[in-house]
Amino acid sequence: AQSVTQLGSHVSVSEGALVLLRCNYSSSVPPYLFWYVQYPNQGLQLLLKYTSAATLVKGINGFEAEFKKSETSFHLTKPSAHMSDAAEYFCAVSENDMRFGAGTRLTVKP
Amino acid sequence: DAGVIQSPRHEVTEMGQEVTLRCKPISGHDYLFWYRQTMMRGLELLIYFNNNVPIDDSGMPEDRFSAKMPNASFSTLKIQPSEPRDSAVYFCASSPYRTGGNYGYTFGSGTRLTVV
Repeated sequence: AQSVTQLGSHVSVSEGALVLLRCNYSSSVPPYLFWYVQYPNQGLQLLLKYTSAATLVKGINGFEAEFKKSETSFHLTKPSAHMSDAAEYFCAVSENDMRFGAGTRLTVKP
Repeated sequence: DAGVIQSPRHEVTEMGQEVTLRCKPISGHDYLFWYRQTMMRGLELLIYFNNNVPIDDSGMPEDRFSAKMPNASFSTLKIQPSEPRDSAVYFCASSPYRTGGNYGYTFGSGTRLTVV
């Protein structure tokens, strides 16, 4: 069965710094992969998704993620963090069902 | 489409009372999911429906929890009687596909339940 692991439950960066949130998955077949963002007191919103087209996927708010099959990874990056990026981020893998990671809380320091 | 709509946004109730959470999925989505989110357990799938029929309720924690979907545009999650440990944020999500497929799930804004 597929699974997803997010490394680091909490990541803190300074405003303007690179954001890197890590996600590794296991799947018996090429999966669909997703990143969701949850702002305080809101639901999960789709940030971007990998559906076997381009391996570098661009999402909203300047985020992007790269699918690396050899590393079974789908890390989320943003070149320059904004205060408004502070939120919880969830990686998810879809194969036999939809599995969500435990989430990574991103804090952005001024 | 207005997305997945949940009500109420916040609910505070006393232990022992009945609580009903409501969800309107996106029109045309055949699957509806109820999740619970807590700090300790993260996101937990409680139950999901396909074409209004409950398919898997193995995540429902106790018999105090029940869910219905009387039609394609409405679902309820009921807790009776409620207990303080039921305090959590409850999300409804819908999708054209059980696994999410290449679409994923669309989530509502959630209901924050506090049982005192």
